[in-house]
Amino acid sequence: DQQVKQNSPSLSVQEGRISILNCDYTNSMFDYFLWYKKYPAEGPTFLISISSIKDKNEDGRFTVFLNKSAKHLSLHIVPSQPGDSAVYFCAARTYNQGGKLIFGQGTELSVKP
Amino acid sequence: DTAVSQTPKYLVTQMGNDKSIKCEQNLGHDTMYWYKQDSKKFLKIMFSYNNKELIINETVPNRFSPKSPDKAHLNLHINSLELGDSAVYFCASSQAPGQPQPQHFGDGTRLSIL
Repeated sequence: DQQVKQNSPSLSVQEGRISILNCDYTNSMFDYFLWYKKYPAEGPTFLISISSIKDKNEDGRFTVFLNKSAKHLSLHIVPSQPGDSAVYFCAARTYNQGGKLIFGQGTELSVKP
Repeated sequence: DTAVSQTPKYLVTQMGNDKSIKCEQNLGHDTMYWYKQDSKKFLKIMFSYNNKELIINETVPNRFSPKSPDKAHLNLHINSLELGDSAVYFCASSQAPGQPQPQHFGDGTRLSIL
C-alpha cells in the first residue's frame, strides 16, 4: 500500500527553465510534507517543507504547492541549474506516528546545460 | 562538521554473520531513526527512538536490534545476516517526533551480503 507516489521516475529539463516535480498521496491524515534531494552515495538532504494548513511555501528558487482536495504536492524549481540534477523524494507524515516519514519512490531530475 | 554521521560507509560480509552500524548526531535532537532503502530505491522506516526510548518498530525481523546508549547515538545490530538484508541503511535525526520539523539524514551504510 503505497501512500505516497511519485509517478515520474525521471525528468529532463533545460538549464534556466522551470522544473516541476509531482507527488500524490492517499492518506488524508498527513499533516506535514517535505521534499528531499539526494545525490549518489549521499544521504537525502532536506530541501523544503509545507504544513497541511498552507497551500504554498517558497524558499529562493524552490516553491512547494499543496492541493489538499486533490491530494497532490508539487515542487517547482525556477530557474533550474545543472547542480539541481539529483533524485528528489517527496515525503509525508502524520503527527501521531512518532515522526515516521513515508517516502515516494523518487524522481531523477536531469538539468542539461 | 557532519551533523549525522554513520560508520561504516560500506560493509561487505557473508551470510550468517553478525554486524553493527553506528550512528551519531551532533544536532542536539531528541529523536533518531533508522531507514532502509531497498533495491527498488524505496526508503522505509525501521525504528525510531525518542530520548533513548523505542517509539517505532515497523515489524522489522528481531534479528535487527537497535540500541540507543544516549540520545545522540543510535546503533543498529543485525544478527544472522541474510541475502535480503543487502540494502543501504540511513540514520536520521529530528527534534521531538510530534513537531513539524525535517529529519536530517546521514550518508548511509551500504550493506552487501555475499
